[in-house]
Amino acid sequence: AQTVTQSQPEMSVQEAETVTLSCTYDTSESNYYLFWYKQPPSRQMILVIRQEAYKQQNATENRFSVNFQKAAKSFSLKISDSQLGDTAMYFCAFMKSNAGNMLTFGGGTRLMVKP
Amino acid sequence: DAGVIQSPRHEVTEMGQEVTLRCKPISGHDYLFWYRQTMMRGLELLIYFNNNVPIDDSGMPEDRFSAKMPNASFSTLKIQPSEPRDSAVYFCASTLSPGRQPQHFGDGTRLSIL
Repeated sequence: AQTVTQSQPEMSVQEAETVTLSCTYDTSESNYYLFWYKQPPSRQMILVIRQEAYKQQNATENRFSVNFQKAAKSFSLKISDSQLGDTAMYFCAFMKSNAGNMLTFGGGTRLMVKP
Repeated sequence: DAGVIQSPRHEVTEMGQEVTLRCKPISGHDYLFWYRQTMMRGLELLIYFNNNVPIDDSGMPEDRFSAKMPNASFSTLKIQPSEPRDSAVYFCASTLSPGRQPQHFGDGTRLSIL
């Protein structure tokens, strides 16, 4: 079974600064996908970024980027130029690429962006 | 694109009552997932369907929970009888091809069992 660990229950950052959220996972699979989802107070689950394990290049989406270290089973999220609207819970998630198309979520990190 | 639509958004009911949560996936998506979110256990997958067929229901907590997908555009999650420990936010998500395409989540149903 896969496990996903987010070791930072809460973090805060000043507006316009950069913050990095940590995620580690445990799996025996070689092919899989990793995701970061954002859940603002409105409760929606919004996909932030996705990484395919067979791709060495780190995924980027505007101000969001990841540091994917496959050997270390680490998948951190970097948010640059933090904005007040980035305040939310952030969940790291794992999915096997073969049959069994289930998302396994970490416990989440609550991020507060301060003005 | 209307997105995944869940109803109701909030449900408050008394213990022992039957509860039915509804989900309309994005048109064309052939995978549908039901999740439960609680403070204690985080986000848990309950069950998922592919082409209206339940594939994995190992996350369904007990026999009081049942899920159906009678057609490609509608799914229900039913709890009968409901108990206070079932109080949670229930999410439905759909996707065309898991992994290759991300799961799109509905806004969730906040369920409170008194």
